[in-house]
Amino acid sequence: EVQLAESGGGLVQPGRSLRLSCTCSGFTFGDYAMSWVRQAPGKGLEWVGFIRNKAFGGTTEYAASAKGRFIISRDDSKNVAYLQMNSLKSEDTAVYYCAVWFGEFKYWGQGALVTVSS
Amino acid sequence: DIVMTQSPDSLAVSLGERATINCKSSQSLLYRSDNKNYLAWYQQKPGQPPKLLFYWASIRESGVPDRFSGSGSGTDFTLTINSLQTEDVAVYYCHQYHITPLTFGGGTKVEIK
Repeated sequence: EVQLAESGGGLVQPGRSLRLSCTCSGFTFGDYAMSWVRQAPGKGLEWVGFIRNKAFGGTTEYAASAKGRFIISRDDSKNVAYLQMNSLKSEDTAVYYCAVWFGEFKYWGQGALVTVSS
Repeated sequence: DIVMTQSPDSLAVSLGERATINCKSSQSLLYRSDNKNYLAWYQQKPGQPPKLLFYWASIRESGVPDRFSGSGSGTDFTLTINSLQTEDVAVYYCHQYHITPLTFGGGTKVEIK
């Protein structure tokens, strides 16, 4: 059974940093690209970015709202994907989901709530 | 960026009746080299992550009831729920994965009338 579990969410002050982890099991993690999608309270879905698997260079792409502030990485030895979020703003408050990216998002975690507030 | 526009924003349908959700993209999602539409549909219930329903516009994900159907090509797509059930109450999103930035429609909330 495929499982994805986000961790590391919480309350953080504006301008500070936070790192989310996405621990995966039930599939060959290193074979797949991993993505992050967020959802602000009561709002729709917004793609944050993804990281390709090593076979495709492990390269990353980001939404404009994340570029320059967020970094996605992966540790294939631990089956974990990360989202490093820097210079956080109030508008980054959202539930952050990790998802296995096939093009479409086939598998999703339950999400981690990040609240940016002083 | 490709803009995804869903309509309506919400709809109320009687149990057993049909619900139709439309999604229009600002650019064609049909990739001519493989003749596939890079369009997916998701269902999201309160407090849950989205669940994949369809990819390539019309390929039903395993386990999705066949009362759900996806159709369309190019820039116009439709999600149809035949014979609406109580468990179908949710928000539905279309999503294009043709070009980055990947984008979603604004969502359509489906309720029981």
